[in-house]
Amino acid sequence: RKEVEQDPGPFNVPEGATVAFNCTYSNSASQSFFWYRQDCRKEPKLLMSVYSSGNEDGRFTAQLNRASQYISLLIRDSKLSDSATYLCVVNRDDKIIFGKGTRLHILP
Amino acid sequence: DTGVSQDPRHKITKRGQNVTFRCDPISEHNRLYWYRQTLGQGPEFLTYFQNEAQLEKSRLLSDRFSAERPKGSFSTLEIQRTEQGDSAMYLCASTETTDGSNYGYTFGSGTRLTVV
Repeated sequence: RKEVEQDPGPFNVPEGATVAFNCTYSNSASQSFFWYRQDCRKEPKLLMSVYSSGNEDGRFTAQLNRASQYISLLIRDSKLSDSATYLCVVNRDDKIIFGKGTRLHILP
Repeated sequence: DTGVSQDPRHKITKRGQNVTFRCDPISEHNRLYWYRQTLGQGPEFLTYFQNEAQLEKSRLLSDRFSAERPKGSFSTLEIQRTEQGDSAMYLCASTETTDGSNYGYTFGSGTRLTVV
């Protein structure tokens, strides 16, 4: 079992729809949590950090449930430019561990 | 210094040859990481440095792989006797840590290695 598990994808959704990504992590020693975005053949880029209280950045909302070891990302009013792979990431023991990623295609 | 630089961007090599990649981190970042990413997978941790000290190596880093950060600035990753299974994107990231707090990881554009 991978330490960070994500929805396998891909997700194909129409423009304007709401998209939800789910992620679970297995190591309770994980200390901090992130969502990264990776465009095709590009490097991963930090999308947002995830806090237990939940946090929002425009159309993006992230949630963390430490008890369930579960992380989520919600994208509202999706845009064509949101098409990318979304990577769930945990920070443990001074390094970040990535999930496999979920590819998102926004359809016009 | 606007980000993490990696060189070369692409490398095609014949099986059995040695290759070396370079990473220049953001200058004030004391930690430097190497990751490997294959198609359809997330990046996998290989190793990291705090200043010039190599603090951890993944079991993915076989004895054909060696990484250095001699002066705590740039780093090199060498792969000896390359195999086709080494074909991947090699990503470098850097971050600054102060008092145990981490201020986010910045990735370079990567070096795409193809072993033929």
